[in-house]
Amino acid sequence: QAGLTQPPSVSKGLRQTATFTCTGNSNNVGYEGAAWLQQYQGHPPKLLFDRDHNRPSGISERLSASRSGNIASLTITGLQPEDEADYYCSAWDRTLSAWVFGGGTKLTVL
Amino acid sequence: EVQLVESGGGLVQPGGSLRLSCAASGFTFTDYWMSWVRQAPGKGLEWVGNIRQDGGATYHAGSVKGRFTISRDNTENSLYLQMNSLTAEDTAVYYCATSKASPASDWGQGTLVTVSS
Repeated sequence: QAGLTQPPSVSKGLRQTATFTCTGNSNNVGYEGAAWLQQYQGHPPKLLFDRDHNRPSGISERLSASRSGNIASLTITGLQPEDEADYYCSAWDRTLSAWVFGGGTKLTVL
Repeated sequence: EVQLVESGGGLVQPGGSLRLSCAASGFTFTDYWMSWVRQAPGKGLEWVGNIRQDGGATYHAGSVKGRFTISRDNTENSLYLQMNSLTAEDTAVYYCATSKASPASDWGQGTLVTVSS
């Protein structure tokens, strides 16, 4: 089934700002927004933001989420080594009646 | 503290069946939709399906529709995934998760399912 589009990788320097994009359509991202998850190698994913941009407790305020039309974005400021991880977006698709994921973006902090 | 513990994974032959379980604790189970999400080795996340709080509605991904069935037992605080007609493409770590405005909010540690002869 159709998924969301994420760039496979992003590389940024320490203390810089990284922005991840997630492109969908009017039936998923454009409909109710996207959630964002972080995953370290060998560990279960962790929710960073739900589709309403709510941040679970314990998630750093250096992270923020936004949406413009059919594109959702996740921004991390002041990059730290511990931010190196895979980042996934996901949205409910009303035509598929299913949650769809992006392929994930691997962040490298130089 | 939310705890989700999956079990039931293992090695199964192509065409076989397997039933996964997820024991939930630390939260009010009946307040949440529940989801299964899987991840094939070295690949990204794939939503498998979810089930409403009362078990009265379920949604399944197209890739598993007709083969997999999600159910829950609210008296046991447990979630299940019955998997039939398994193929090699179903090989993955299967995660149980709560679901609220996202495909998965709180996650278990996962259970590995390997489909191979």
